[in-house]
Amino acid sequence: GNSVTQMEGPVTLSEEAFLTINCTYTATGYPSLFWYVQYPGEGLQLLLKATKADDKGSNKGFEATYRKETTSFHLEKGSVQVSDSAVYFCALNYGGSQGNLIFGKGTKLSVKP
Amino acid sequence: NAGVTQTPKFQVLKTGQSMTLQCAQDMNHEYMSWYRQDPGMGLRLIHYSVGAGITDQGEVPNGYNVSRSTTEDFPLRLLSAAPSQTSVYFCASSYAPGVNEKLFFGSGTQLSVL
Repeated sequence: GNSVTQMEGPVTLSEEAFLTINCTYTATGYPSLFWYVQYPGEGLQLLLKATKADDKGSNKGFEATYRKETTSFHLEKGSVQVSDSAVYFCALNYGGSQGNLIFGKGTKLSVKP
Repeated sequence: NAGVTQTPKFQVLKTGQSMTLQCAQDMNHEYMSWYRQDPGMGLRLIHYSVGAGITDQGEVPNGYNVSRSTTEDFPLRLLSAAPSQTSVYFCASSYAPGVNEKLFFGSGTQLSVL
């Protein structure tokens, strides 16, 4: 079946450190891939997306590349800030008329000054 | 812009009680859905709707009912609350169902069932 696996957290980094959060997926067909972010006390917000192989999604300094050969969509940022502290969710949309998302378990990121 | 509004923000129930979690959106979105978020489990889809009068089950529908009488509202009903339904519930919507549609989330309802 369709599933998303992302690295276990929590991840703790110092400000200006490099961030990688790994995400791999299992899916039939060609899903669209997403990263959502959840700041404390809030709902999820779309961070970036990629809809086909080799696409790179980017937003707010975050990037992720849709790698079909490795079924991965790793999230990266070159220099994290304290304000990036949040829970990050990788997700895939397995298509069909419903357009429902399957989410990974989430990775909590804490950035220390 | 109100976006997706969920009420209440917090709720405590006793086992066996019933209640309705409210969700309303003011963006004229066709697609609406309910997720529950549990520690170490991520978000799991409970029910969804692709338009007024149309609902369907997600991954974990047992113990929950939904209806969609208007485009704006998508309430989630717990018929007889159980401790296993203690969770944070999120309502989400998008303009239309589809693979590339961005979901807009409400701020959540934290439910405890004693």
